[in-house]
Amino acid sequence: DGGITQSPKYLFRKEGQNVTLSCEQNLNHDAMYWYRQDPGQGLRLIYYSQIVNDFQKGDIAEGYSVSREKKESFPLTVTSAQKNPTAFYLCASSMDRGGKNIQYFGAGTRLSVL
Amino acid sequence: QKEVEQDPGPLSVPEGAIVSLNCTYSNSAFQYFMWYRQYSRKGPELLMYTYSSGNKEDGRFTAQVDKSSKYISLFIRDSQPSDSATYLCAMSVMLGNTPLVFGKGTRLSVIA
Repeated sequence: DGGITQSPKYLFRKEGQNVTLSCEQNLNHDAMYWYRQDPGQGLRLIYYSQIVNDFQKGDIAEGYSVSREKKESFPLTVTSAQKNPTAFYLCASSMDRGGKNIQYFGAGTRLSVL
Repeated sequence: QKEVEQDPGPLSVPEGAIVSLNCTYSNSAFQYFMWYRQYSRKGPELLMYTYSSGNKEDGRFTAQVDKSSKYISLFIRDSQPSDSATYLCAMSVMLGNTPLVFGKGTRLSVIA
């Protein structure tokens, strides 16, 4: 089955702790993205990566870090510097097909603070 | 002013109604427009993709873009309870693998 797998589905973070959200894709897509969704809010871009070993900050990168060592994987670390981490985190990927920018999403990870 | 404005609703309609969902935007450079559907606690899935001004139809769904007014719409005909979801508009300036700018999403309930 081709798709984007996010894990875990639910995650709890203690005060001062760093946590890492996993995102894996087997679609052979070049680009991957992390968005944050808060209740009643749209999706806000945290980081994105267009190729391996390169990534760019989005609108709300503070308190987050990423790596892109493999094409299939784009993990997101929520650091202790992120003071309000409770949200629904969505990973997406895309491949430039004839100019179309269609992003496919995973099922999300819900992060809560203990 | 936010780049993309979308009324969050909620919007509640009876089964069989025609639904109209809308977004306005401020950046005239947007050229590519999308509608995503998101069921509760799931990731968004692409419904419609349009380029520049005009209409596009796919089954019960019609997407309209009016670039002169910076206004896009999604119409759902013969709405069904299974259409109950949050609908997000998204747009981008450039071709290729670039981030999208999303509206807040409109929550729709179709009542049987």
